[in-house]
Amino acid sequence: SAVISQKPSRDICQRGTSLTIQCQVDSQVTMMFWYRQQPGQSLTLIATANQGSEATYESGFVIDKFPISRPNLTFSTLTVSNMSPEDSSIYLCSVRGYRYTGELFFGEGSRLTVL
Amino acid sequence: AQKITQTQPGMFVQEKEAVTLDCTYDTSDQSYGLFWYKQPSSGEMIFLIYQGSYDEQNATEGRYSLNFQKARKSANLVISASQLGDSAMYFCAMNRVQGGSEKLVFGKGTKLTVNP
Repeated sequence: SAVISQKPSRDICQRGTSLTIQCQVDSQVTMMFWYRQQPGQSLTLIATANQGSEATYESGFVIDKFPISRPNLTFSTLTVSNMSPEDSSIYLCSVRGYRYTGELFFGEGSRLTVL
Repeated sequence: AQKITQTQPGMFVQEKEAVTLDCTYDTSDQSYGLFWYKQPSSGEMIFLIYQGSYDEQNATEGRYSLNFQKARKSANLVISASQLGDSAMYFCAMNRVQGGSEKLVFGKGTKLTVNP
């Protein structure tokens, strides 16, 4: 299984600021996926990040709010911009597994609290 | 649209006993995959087990088995011989197989507590 490291693991942020989350994978992968888990809720896909092209965003998520970078095959960043308390969530980076279509390996997540 | 329903917000089980976590799904797709993930308090999501919609046999992975009833659209997770380390959130999820979609639709989860 892939080893996925995320930074920061948790942070407390002020309203109106922006925070960038980093995701590092121990192997080269074509696609990386960013999910959001709001408190007490299930996971929701934010966007898919392909190396060398713009990220593909899901309905309800926009690039201005969640800009994503994918500079190489092992690294991606997700920025949460102009944060409000509603952005308090766990943000998880994930990559494909090897056995089944849809199997994903996840990082430990970045737990953000916006005051 | 695909939808996952987990009706048990919380479940309790005694150590060494078996427990079943319920999952029902709704989809108009003929080909789909069903997944269970475990989320400990640390926050990471751990893949447990997979069931393809055309798989005739129920999936098993160690102490985990999936009770797949296609006509009822249910995919319940059975954990045998529960351990204290099984205490966690458990999420059922599904995806659309056609097109190789990695987009997983998750349920709201069930919090399992294993008592000593």
